[in-house]
Amino acid sequence: AQSVTQLGSHVSVSEGALVLLRCNYSSSVPPYLFWYVQYPNQGLQLLLKYTTGATLVKGINGFEAEFKKSETSFHLTKPSAHMSDAAEYFCAVKGGAGSYQLTFGKGTKLSVIP
Amino acid sequence: EAGVAQSPRYKIIEKRQSVAFWCNPISGHATLYWYQQILGQGPKLLIQFQNNGVVDDSQLPKDRFSAERLKGVDSTLKIQPAKLEDSAVYLCASSLDAWTSGGYNEQFFGPGTRLTVL
Repeated sequence: AQSVTQLGSHVSVSEGALVLLRCNYSSSVPPYLFWYVQYPNQGLQLLLKYTTGATLVKGINGFEAEFKKSETSFHLTKPSAHMSDAAEYFCAVKGGAGSYQLTFGKGTKLSVIP
Repeated sequence: EAGVAQSPRYKIIEKRQSVAFWCNPISGHATLYWYQQILGQGPKLLIQFQNNGVVDDSQLPKDRFSAERLKGVDSTLKIQPAKLEDSAVYLCASSLDAWTSGGYNEQFFGPGTRLTVL
């Protein structure tokens, strides 16, 4: 079965500082991995995804993530935080072969301090 | 292009009452999903439709929850009777046909319905 663990339910960074949100996964098959962002009172928006190929994936709003199979990790980074990045971020893994179900982590709330 | 529409946005009911949520997916999206997001947790898939057929409802509490997508377009999720633990945000998402692409199609999420059961 697929599962996702997000380390840190709440992360605070200063504006302009590096953003690092951690995600570790468990999957019985080669994983498809995703990061979603959720702004208050809104639905989820896809930031980026890894399916196959290049392990460093670039997404929207300057975010990127690197798939590391040996570490079963898919951490999300952004070199310089902006106030508008304050939101909740969810890591997710697609179900096994033949399944298109997403299993989400519990989320990490990012606060950006001016 | 219009996004996924959901209504109502907020609903407050008492336990043992019934409630229904409506979702209109993005035009042309064959696959529709209902998720439950309890405060402090990530979304959990309740049911997945492919056109008007159910693909996966393994996590749907079928004794009280039901969902339908009769014409393969919009969908309704119902809870009857509601319990306190049903308080959550119910998210609807849609994607292009999840099967014919041979891979993953991005799920687009609606704004959700926040349900409070008192």
